[in-house]
Amino acid sequence: DIQMTQSPSTLSASVGDRVTITCRASESFSKWVAWYQQKPGKAPHLLIYKASNLESGVPSRFSGSGSGTEFTLTISSLQPDDFATYYCQQYNTYPWTFGQGTKVEIK
Amino acid sequence: QVQLVESGGGVVQPGRSLRLSCAASGFPLRDYGMHWVRQAPGKGLEWVALISYDGTNISFGDSVRGRFTISRDNSKNTLWLQMDSLRPEDTALYYCARGDRGLDSWGQGTLVIVSS
Repeated sequence: DIQMTQSPSTLSASVGDRVTITCRASESFSKWVAWYQQKPGKAPHLLIYKASNLESGVPSRFSGSGSGTEFTLTISSLQPDDFATYYCQQYNTYPWTFGQGTKVEIK
Repeated sequence: QVQLVESGGGVVQPGRSLRLSCAASGFPLRDYGMHWVRQAPGKGLEWVALISYDGTNISFGDSVRGRFTISRDNSKNTLWLQMDSLRPEDTALYYCARGDRGLDSWGQGTLVIVSS
């Protein structure tokens, strides 16, 4: 199985900060990575698919990049609504696997 | 709009079975691969299973393979997850989700508690 290791586990940031979350895969593959946002008590919400494609309706301050074994999610200017937990997921190979999550907290 | 509604969760003893359902509306279920994803209390997301749009391709996560079965009836717009030989570590909120390029729509989940 492909393991997805996300870092950091927790991130403290302020409104307006640029934030980057990294996911490293245990083996190399192309761009089949998605990123999700989850708020407490809610289902996850797709932000990015195919590593860098922005899901419809998602603000443009979110962006994704990477290929091979390293993938990143960047929030260009953190907004109050962005404090949440973020997960990467690979869908290159079954079983699909998630990273362990990154909680973005208010500094 | 796209809607996924899970049901069938509850409290069950270890070793017993439970069947979850997911009712889909607002889109043609026959066009999409469908998944189950779970989240243990306070923990991260765990992908559980996939069934392809026509039911011919099925895959499971390592922790449930051999114990869980996934099925669908496109004419009834319904997805199921049959869970047998349940263990305490299967306790989680179970989501059904749609997607072939990541999971673009999710239900609100149904809670399964495995406890004696």
